[in-house]
Amino acid sequence: ETGVTQTPRHLVMGMTNKKSLKCEQHLGHNAMYWYKQSAKKPLELMFVYSLEERVENNSVPSRFSPECPNSSHLFLHLHTLQPEDSALYLCASSPRREEQTSPLHFGNGTRLTVT
Amino acid sequence: AQKITQTQPGMFVQEKEAVTLDCTYDTSDPSYGLFWYKQPSSGEMIFLIYQGSYDQQNATEGRYSLNFQKARKSANLVISASQLGDSAMYFCAMRARGSQGNLIFGKGTKLSVKP
Repeated sequence: ETGVTQTPRHLVMGMTNKKSLKCEQHLGHNAMYWYKQSAKKPLELMFVYSLEERVENNSVPSRFSPECPNSSHLFLHLHTLQPEDSALYLCASSPRREEQTSPLHFGNGTRLTVT
Repeated sequence: AQKITQTQPGMFVQEKEAVTLDCTYDTSDPSYGLFWYKQPSSGEMIFLIYQGSYDQQNATEGRYSLNFQKARKSANLVISASQLGDSAMYFCAMRARGSQGNLIFGKGTKLSVKP
């Protein structure tokens, strides 16, 4: 399998639940990203990992906890979310974080609904 | 600061006609990359075309071309011979050294192709 794969595609969770989003890339890339896409807002960069090390955390609430166990896998652990966290969560990868000439390759996203 | 501006929230085009989606950007970096992505209603973010800040010629990829005017800091996407399947959200994005190579997005333009 090639490309960036995200699971699950859809997730409904209550505010007291704990769930995890999974992202896997088979492109041999060294950088992985989590983006949040809310209605009528630009895509917001949440976290960046380069060679499995978190290099950026854009003031994201602690109820979102990323994990990058290796360069191919990225997780986003969710707990005690709020209804305003409902959004499309997109994972992406790129060859190197600093490389400006390469596009990011995105997964299909996880559409999260918090009830 | 890096910024992408897309001033057209929505656009309509007749099937088989050409359409131009506007994008202006702001950066003080001399080296940057400009990207266009397509997002159908299913959610996946599909990379369409790339233009480097030092590229002398406008980028083309099939029916997509990028009208790059560096002095005006604009990077408009031209879609020729529109098809019904082109109906989607279109995002302009930029990677630059000042943003550590992170991909910064505009708010997007919703394109609707009419039969």
